[in-house]
Amino acid sequence: DTAVSQTPKYLVTQMGNDKSIKCEQNLGHDTMYWYKQDSKKFLKIMFSYNNKELIINETVPNRFSPKSPDKAHLNLHINSLELGDSAVYFCASSQMDRGYEQYFGPGTRLTVT
Amino acid sequence: RKEVEQDPGPFNVPEGATVAFNCTYSNSASQSFFWYRQDCRKEPKLLMSVYSSGNEDGRFTAQLNRASQYISLLIRDSKLSDSATYLCVVNMGGFQKLVFGTGTRLLVSP
Repeated sequence: DTAVSQTPKYLVTQMGNDKSIKCEQNLGHDTMYWYKQDSKKFLKIMFSYNNKELIINETVPNRFSPKSPDKAHLNLHINSLELGDSAVYFCASSQMDRGYEQYFGPGTRLTVT
Repeated sequence: RKEVEQDPGPFNVPEGATVAFNCTYSNSASQSFFWYRQDCRKEPKLLMSVYSSGNEDGRFTAQLNRASQYISLLIRDSKLSDSATYLCVVNMGGFQKLVFGTGTRLLVSP
């Protein structure tokens, strides 16, 4: 059973396109996250939702819009993709009071050409 | 200055060796500290928490020095399966926002 799943695993697209990445967790956690890991392997938080409410919103371009339809799902929509958006995007989840123990999905490798 | 700094390595060690990694953090208000492990092209996974008194989990020992603002990870009797990138992680409070270092790569050879 996959605890945190993401789709798609790979995404290759052209500049200017709009794309979405989906994330689902079956751990019963109440908090979910999106991270970006760039080519230098630097892993940085982008957003966090607790029970569908946005609690962390780092300095991320407005082209990135997270959506949490329920506490088991957190999707990421990206408008007008740019070359610099190429990275691995990880979804993660945790319980609010054990937020340091985050369970990550397998990642979505996004390549913008 | 980066919030969390690590030597990127790689550290090349033979099986059975003892290896230690250090990590420094810039914000003295940082509250809690962790080590995560990331295998090549995989997701990060929590390895262990780091307590002020130091803590051990099998072959792994973590230490925290608040005065000097660094944490360390010691791996004894290295196994081939220990080859991975070790991420130093700092939490500023509230548990949800983790700040990750760029990782130290370990390669254990036969």
